Amino acid sequence: KQEVTQIPAALSVPEGENLVLNCSFTDSAIYNLQWFRQDPGKGLTSLLLIQSSQREQTSGRLNASLDKSSGRSTLYIAASQPGDSATYLCAVRPRKTSGSRLTFGEGTQLTVNP
Amino acid sequence: SAVISQKPSRDICQRGTSLTIQCQVDSQVTMMFWYRQQPGQSLTLIATANQGSEATYESGFVIDKFPISRPNLTFSTLTVSNMSPEDSSIYLCSVVFKGGSYNEQFFGPGTRLTVL
Repeated sequence: KQEVTQIPAALSVPEGENLVLNCSFTDSAIYNLQWFRQDPGKGLTSLLLIQSSQREQTSGRLNASLDKSSGRSTLYIAASQPGDSATYLCAVRPRKTSGSRLTFGEGTQLTVNP
Repeated sequence: SAVISQKPSRDICQRGTSLTIQCQVDSQVTMMFWYRQQPGQSLTLIATANQGSEATYESGFVIDKFPISRPNLTFSTLTVSNMSPEDSSIYLCSVVFKGGSYNEQFFGPGTRLTVL
């Protein structure tokens, strides 16, 4: 059974810092991995999707990397801003399952202080 | 970009009653899912909503408690039946768009349910 772990559970940084959020998964047989952002009490916003054959994806100040063999992904946020404060979730999609069933981590709650 | 909407956005309900949540998408999708997010926890998949047939439920979720309909490619409903306080959660609709790449999933804004 796939398990996804995110470290740290919570992170508080001053504005302007570069930071890294970590995601690990136990079964490397994945189709792809998605990073999401969730604001309190809201739905999820898809940030980046990395295919299993890819090493990284970039969108603006966000960069996600994937090391499938070691079961790890990182989300790098450059020059953090207070508006980046949210919970960040990673989710993996298995290769063998038909459909699109995602397994989610518990999330990292990020606070960027002005 | 495509829009996923959910109704209601929030509700407060009495124990023993039922609530139906609607999910509407403004473009065609290939897959629709319903998730639950209990307070302080991550997301758990309830079921895959299948067009014109019975939903496929995950372990621990049953049709009598969470009946789901999906009459067409862009609309689905989830009913939370005979509610108890343990059903207090955010319920989220999620879709994979037709023509989308790599089964990327997108989520609706969620329905925040409180059961008294």
